[in-house]
Parts: sequence; C-alpha cells; structure tokens
Amino acid sequence: DTEVTQTPKHLVMGMTNKKSLKCEQHMGHRAMYWYKQKAKKPPELMFVYSYEKLSINESVPSRFSPECPNSSLLNLHLHALQPEDSALYLCASRFREPTGELFFGEGSRLTVL
Amino acid sequence: DQQVKQNSPSLSVQEGRISILNCDYTNSMFDYFLWYKKYPAEGPTFLISISSIKDKNEDGRFTVFLNKSAKHLSLHIVPSQPGDSAVYFCAASGVDNNDMRFGAGTRLTVKP
Repeated sequence: DTEVTQTPKHLVMGMTNKKSLKCEQHMGHRAMYWYKQKAKKPPELMFVYSYEKLSINESVPSRFSPECPNSSLLNLHLHALQPEDSALYLCASRFREPTGELFFGEGSRLTVL
Repeated sequence: DQQVKQNSPSLSVQEGRISILNCDYTNSMFDYFLWYKKYPAEGPTFLISISSIKDKNEDGRFTVFLNKSAKHLSLHIVPSQPGDSAVYFCAASGVDNNDMRFGAGTRLTVKP
C-alpha cells in the first residue's frame, strides 16, 4: 500500500463552521505533513509531525489546529476560517528523514463561504 | 521569502526533443533536492531526487543536475513525450530537519 488517503475530497464550509480534514497512510512513515496550495502557487508548508509530535509549525493561524492521534493518521481541524483560506490542502508522509521523498495524497479542496 | 525559485512559469517543447526545467535555491543548508510532477486534481508525485554529494542523477529519460556553487539544479527530460505534460515542482530539504520547500512550478507542454 503506497497510498496517502485524504478525506473529504471537497469541503464547503461557512465562516462559523467547525470541520476537519483527515489523512491516513499505512506505509509505516513516521513523518506527516500538511501543505496548503493556492492556484498557481507552490505548496506552502503548514505543519510537520515527526513520530507523532509536532516538529514544525510555520506560524499558521490558530484557526487551523493539527492533530496526530497515531502514526497512521493526521487531522486538520478547522474553525472560524476566512474566505482567503480557500485552497487545496495536501497531506504527505515521508519514510526517511531528512532524505527520502514525500508521498502526497490527492488533496482536499476547501471552499470557505 | 521564496527559498526555492522556478523562474519559468511555462515551457513548451516538441515531442522527441529535450525539455530542460530550471530551479534555483537560496538556502545553503539545503542538501537534498527533488522534482515532483503534478497533474490537475491530483497530488504531486515524486519523479527524481539528488543529494548534495552528487552532481548528477539519472533515471531513464529523466536526469537531474546539481550545481552547488551556483545553487542551481535542472531537470532534463529526453526524449520528451506528450504524457510528460504536467506541472513540475522543484523541492529542497535541509539536513537534520523535516521541512521541504517547493518552487512555484513550471508547466510543461509537450506538443505531438
């Protein structure tokens, strides 16, 4: 199994809603990543978990709250988002650190109304 | 501050010819470099990588060249095929850390 699975694929939410994005991998990777990508821009790093501990937080606003319940699962909890947070949210995992490639999911397309 | 830069947003080549995609980086702590390919509505997929101890890595039609002194790398695709049409991202990672930074991407179009 070489997949990173992200759900939902599409999410529309209002600014007062609370929702979550979910990411799962069963490759035994111990580093998991959240990236945000807007149209015609590069993926921007948001968070990195290494061995289930948050190792990088790129000064992301607190309305985004990551969670890593176990080594296979990564969540991104969303609350009080703004329309400018609308983007493609990509999850990735990595086996070897610091070398080794990232394996990406297909992304969750988020629209904030 | 964009630490990884791809200055050409698009490139168009004829089928069978060489495609050369370029990437520059500013952070001298980067020591591992990767190229990813992305189709619409899909996540990026890994293509090829190179560590800073090498200056060339080849995998089939794909070759990555690294010039550390110039902080520059390039991806060569020979021969180019229409199926190679996609957005190509350059990425870089530093020693002893987990982060990976991406360039803005170059959209490659290979014409039949």
